[in-house]
Amino acid sequence: QQQVKQSPQSLIVQKGGIPIINCAYENTAFDYFPWYQQFPGKGPALLIAIRPDVSEKKEGRFTISFNKSAKQFSLHIMDSQPGDSATYFCAANDRGTYKYIFGTGTRLKVLA
Amino acid sequence: EPEVTQTPSHQVTQMGQEVILRCVPISNHLYFYWYRQILGQKVEFLVSFYNNEISEKSEIFDDQFSVERPDGSNFTLKIRSTKLEDSAMYFCASSLQGIGGYTFGSGTRLTVV
Repeated sequence: QQQVKQSPQSLIVQKGGIPIINCAYENTAFDYFPWYQQFPGKGPALLIAIRPDVSEKKEGRFTISFNKSAKQFSLHIMDSQPGDSATYFCAANDRGTYKYIFGTGTRLKVLA
Repeated sequence: EPEVTQTPSHQVTQMGQEVILRCVPISNHLYFYWYRQILGQKVEFLVSFYNNEISEKSEIFDDQFSVERPDGSNFTLKIRSTKLEDSAMYFCASSLQGIGGYTFGSGTRLTVV
């Protein structure tokens, strides 16, 4: 119930492609869903986040799609660049707590 | 842009020794956190701290762990008697309003030998 399942584990795309990373959860008390980007040796950095009353949120080249009934959400990276190569984590917050439950991460490589 | 600063960046310690990991959160933030990431694995919550007390902790955060905000700027994680399995990257984070807007530090890599 406290898990967030993330797929795929790794992803390789060509420059300009649109990688899609998926996450699924069970706990209906989760009500805030951020995505984090992590470069080697660095801490996770917040990319974009969504609440379940919205089905889509876009910030620059990053878009979250949210399907509340299916309890799934995904990150799309438009016009991906080699500089987007990093590990991406989805996360969820359990309403009434201050902690995040993280997914297992997706290692993205964008080829030049 | 304000940052969360962690020191040291890498610490090697003998099994059974005590270690203190230090963090300077963003100055106007009120909520403080420690997470850890075992190499190649997901980021896991350890503890949250607000108003000078622990507000939540995970099963990982047992009696060997403690946190403290000794002054107005530092936030520390102490591991009393380190084990090999404590080897991980430890991340400090802070936020102004609880959930949302977390900022993570760059982490301290702890290696227990």
